[in-house]
Amino acid sequence: NAGVTQTPKFQVLKTGQSMTLQCAQDMNHEYMSWYRQDPGMGLRLIHYSVGAGITDQGEVPNGYNVSRSTTEDFPLRLLSAAPSQTSVYFCASSYSRPSNYGYTFGSGTRLTVV
Amino acid sequence: SQELEQSPQSLIVQEGKNLTINCTSSKTLYGLYWYKQKYGEGLIFLMMLQKGGEEKSHEKITAKLDEKKQQSSLHITASQPSHAGIYLCGAAQGGSEKLVFGKGTKLTVNP
Repeated sequence: NAGVTQTPKFQVLKTGQSMTLQCAQDMNHEYMSWYRQDPGMGLRLIHYSVGAGITDQGEVPNGYNVSRSTTEDFPLRLLSAAPSQTSVYFCASSYSRPSNYGYTFGSGTRLTVV
Repeated sequence: SQELEQSPQSLIVQEGKNLTINCTSSKTLYGLYWYKQKYGEGLIFLMMLQKGGEEKSHEKITAKLDEKKQQSSLHITASQPSHAGIYLCGAAQGGSEKLVFGKGTKLTVNP
């Protein structure tokens, strides 16, 4: 049972490049979210999903796209990377409403945009 | 939107000392979560509190929820170097699917 798996663990991008951060969970969790963590800012919600085919914006969605075609996968796309997107990104999943169960987190992707 | 304020921002204690971390919400709490994060790693779930007055313990860590004060406290007894890390509180925003987090408290335990 792998839990929540994020790839890659580290990535360096040039400004303007695009890339996809992968997130997969094998726990049959319905709820999934993406957060970014910056020094002094804590964790901020980017996008979340309550099930396959359903996504919604969080607190800081600009510059990011998501889709949820399967229950297991929730990729995060950066369309045109900017230095302001340098951060540590965490994917999280929950069996049901996070207010009842909380989230299980992946180990993170450290992204640097130069 | 709901905001969670943690205090202190950082804490340095000597091994064996007790300590308390606080988390105060700007709105009604529908549940409060405590997570621990070690540098370069993901968040580890510690415990969840859902009812006012509820108190839970895990090893030497105890958390309590004061619904009226919209506040939770995390208490560590006889701290050890293994307790070092960043402690974050989280709450369901308005009872929704969105979990918001405080900025974290960095704990250092000196041997």
